Amino acid sequence: QITLKESGPTLVKPTQTLTLTCTFSGFSLTTTGVGVGWIRQPPGKALEWLALIYWNDDKRYSPSLKSRLTITKDTSKNQVVLTMTNMDPVDTATSYCALWRFDAFYIWGQGTVVTVSS
Amino acid sequence: QSVLTQPPSASGTPGQRVTISCSGSSSNIGNNYVYWYHQLPGTAPKLLIYRNNQRPSGVPDRFSGSKSGTSASLAISGLRSEDEGHYYCATWDGNLSGPLFGGGTKLTVL
Repeated sequence: QITLKESGPTLVKPTQTLTLTCTFSGFSLTTTGVGVGWIRQPPGKALEWLALIYWNDDKRYSPSLKSRLTITKDTSKNQVVLTMTNMDPVDTATSYCALWRFDAFYIWGQGTVVTVSS
Repeated sequence: QSVLTQPPSASGTPGQRVTISCSGSSSNIGNNYVYWYHQLPGTAPKLLIYRNNQRPSGVPDRFSGSKSGTSASLAISGLRSEDEGHYYCATWDGNLSGPLFGGGTKLTVL
């Protein structure tokens, strides 16, 4: 059974750096074609892709947020970490991590709510 | 506003057939597979259709997907109350060099 679970702070202050961790099981991030990505969803709004890391450590970022994002993986811990710098209240959202297989996000975590407020 | 355009809302009565459209361009839908996700309030999106018209195990055959040129559609037949929620199309975008989501369609079963 494949599962993913996001963890991180529920509240961050403006200008701070957010660190989110995705802990997964049921698949390996060393398998060809596999990746883990992050997607966020502001309250009442649509899904927005943030970043994606592949089995071969290739990394992709949303162009609009690239300067603020870093994605890394730790295959020994089955974890993927996303950091986002210089947080702003407009970054308030539910963030999801999801399993990427070849060409889409197939299985998603339950999501974690992050509020940016002073 | 997303590059993939979906109608903001759709509705139907139980038993009816509804379709949700997703319009893109050659940099996304025109040259890549389309995926559809269903999201209930307060829950994570769930994959409904992959690679244009394939259903994951467990998804009823009431759901079907199609693609033509730079547009795609999701059809739901025999509408049921549990079909309510938001539906998102998604695909790869060559300009973005990453995945792209539509703006979402809220489906209401009247």
